[in-house]
Amino acid sequence: NAGVTQTPKFQVLKTGQSMTLQCAQDMNHEYMSWYRQDPGMGLRLIHYSVGAGITDQGEVPNGYNVSRSTTEDFPLRLLSAAPSQTSVYFCASSYSGTGWGTGELFFGEGSRLTVL
Amino acid sequence: GQNIDQPTEMTATEGAIVQINCTYQTSGFNGLFWYQQHAGEAPTFLSYNVLDGLEEKGRFSSFLSRSKGYSYLLLKELQMKDSASYLCAVRDNAGNNRKLIWGLGTSLAVNP
Repeated sequence: NAGVTQTPKFQVLKTGQSMTLQCAQDMNHEYMSWYRQDPGMGLRLIHYSVGAGITDQGEVPNGYNVSRSTTEDFPLRLLSAAPSQTSVYFCASSYSGTGWGTGELFFGEGSRLTVL
Repeated sequence: GQNIDQPTEMTATEGAIVQINCTYQTSGFNGLFWYQQHAGEAPTFLSYNVLDGLEEKGRFSSFLSRSKGYSYLLLKELQMKDSASYLCAVRDNAGNNRKLIWGLGTSLAVNP
């Protein structure tokens, strides 16, 4: 049972480069999200999606794009990397729908990104 | 505003009991979560409260008082592996908002 799979686990970028963090889940979850976690800042929501074809901005969306063409995949694109985007990124998914139920989040292992 | 407060750090002794408090102020409320996060790893779900009272799950229990905007996580018979950060999160259902409001986490160190 794979759960939520994120790739890559580690990445070093130069300022101005672009890249895509991949996220896939095999639990048929409608809700998927991307967070970044920085020391002293906690988990901050970047973008989220409540189903295929639907995305919305979170707390810190600037500099990031997402798309949700399938239920399984929710990639996060960094358009032009900046040192301020150095962080640990987590993809997370949960059941949702008309009612959340418990709606606990299942997290991927994280992607550690350094922008030089 | 929306805010969640929890202590930054706590220490306890192996075998003891520790209580981690969380207070919240949010525009809506549709459940409170506790997650555990070991250093260098992803958060994992511990407990969920949506009604007032105590939810018990093995060595871990979680309590909620909605009128007071207060929750606690109780860890019994502490083990070294319980050394981790404990994150409190509130699901805010204001409007069509499907977001969690996160606390900064409480770093628990369990000493032998």
